[in-house]
Amino acid sequence: NAGVTQTPKFQVLKTGQSMTLQCAQDMNHEYMSWYRQDPGMGLRLIHYSVGAGITDQGEVPNGYNVSRSTTEDFPLRLLSAAPSQTSVYFCASSYTNTGELFFGEGSRLTVL
Amino acid sequence: KQEVTQIPAALSVPEGENLVLNCSFTDSAIYNLQWFRQDPGKGLTSLLLIQSSQREQTSGRLNASLDKSSGRSTLYIAASQPGDSATYLCAVNWLGSSNYKLTFGKGTLLTVNP
Repeated sequence: NAGVTQTPKFQVLKTGQSMTLQCAQDMNHEYMSWYRQDPGMGLRLIHYSVGAGITDQGEVPNGYNVSRSTTEDFPLRLLSAAPSQTSVYFCASSYTNTGELFFGEGSRLTVL
Repeated sequence: KQEVTQIPAALSVPEGENLVLNCSFTDSAIYNLQWFRQDPGKGLTSLLLIQSSQREQTSGRLNASLDKSSGRSTLYIAASQPGDSATYLCAVNWLGSSNYKLTFGKGTLLTVNP
């Protein structure tokens, strides 16, 4: 059972570079989201999607872009990386909008 | 403001002890509440999901209770083991929000000493 798969697990970027964090789930979940986790701040929602073609902003969306072309995939794009985006990023999915949430293993990003 | 608080931030207990982790929330209008476990360097694993109409949920040695009127949930761990050492987080799904607008507490770091 793959569940929610995130790649890469680790990434180092220079300020101004762009990159995409990949997220895929094989549970046919309609709902997917991206969180960032920072020490002392807890988990904060970046963007979420309620189905293919539908996305919306969360609490901290600035500097990030998402799209949802298929049910399975929900990539997170950093447009121009900044040191403030150094964090651990988690992708999560759920079958329903109020159901049990399943998380990926996380992607640790460092921006120099 | 809708907030979720977990106290204490860290807890250390000897193996075999029964323990309670606390989660409080500021608004009683919730849809459900979830408890998660996070091991170092790993993602979150769902432990228990309690709907607003439920008072408690049990899974093995874990029992989660919910008291909406007082804005509190507790996670009871029976006969703790070193393998239970992890950070435990609770998250609230507020009425009128989607699952992806969960509000997380900052977690309680549990250490169970052999």
